[in-house]
Amino acid sequence: GEDVEQSLFLSVREGDSSVINCTYTDSSSTYLYWYKQEPGAGLQLLTYIFSNMDMKQDQRLTVLLNKKDKHLSLRIADTQTGDSAIYFCAERRTSGTYKYIFGTGTRLKVLA
Amino acid sequence: KAGVTQTPRYLIKTRGQQVTLSCSPISGHRSVSWYQQTPGQGLQFLFEYFSETQRNKGNFPGRFSGRQFSNSRSEMNVSTLELGDSALYLCASSPLTSQETQYFGPGTRLLVL
Repeated sequence: GEDVEQSLFLSVREGDSSVINCTYTDSSSTYLYWYKQEPGAGLQLLTYIFSNMDMKQDQRLTVLLNKKDKHLSLRIADTQTGDSAIYFCAERRTSGTYKYIFGTGTRLKVLA
Repeated sequence: KAGVTQTPRYLIKTRGQQVTLSCSPISGHRSVSWYQQTPGQGLQFLFEYFSETQRNKGNFPGRFSGRQFSNSRSEMNVSTLELGDSALYLCASSPLTSQETQYFGPGTRLLVL
């Protein structure tokens, strides 16, 4: 199907690691993205990964990509209360009509 | 560089009216895409403009239209508003085509009464 799937909610304690998962659908997607959305705001690009990579690290963020299973994850180390937001994964498709497909979003709540 | 700006930030309209939203991309970006975000449907792609031409279009009725000007600024218009058009409308810009990474504006929140 067309859907990019994410779990709806995740709750972690401050200082712990958060892992947000995403399952995408198009094996030909060349770029996969993670965006963060805070209340009342637009989407902030956090990081992206090319499909020929299996891992990318950027400060507290680690992206893992399993192309065989079409699974993408975002790990946030030392999660802070300011990380509380909705996180969206997105795939950029190249097959058929070009378009971005966004996941349903995962609401991360960080408990102090 | 200034980010993507959208005006107005908030808007209240009544059913049957029409509305025009504006988006100014990051300086030097030529591609502008529009998305509708609702709690029920999530983020849905509306259309993409590049060099004043619509390049891609999502599955929205003809009441939704857009255009892009020579300075890359874009507007989207929704005619004959329906209650279900209440949403956050997000604009994203990217340097050449939307094949590249998109940067989002803060959005325009539209409420249709």
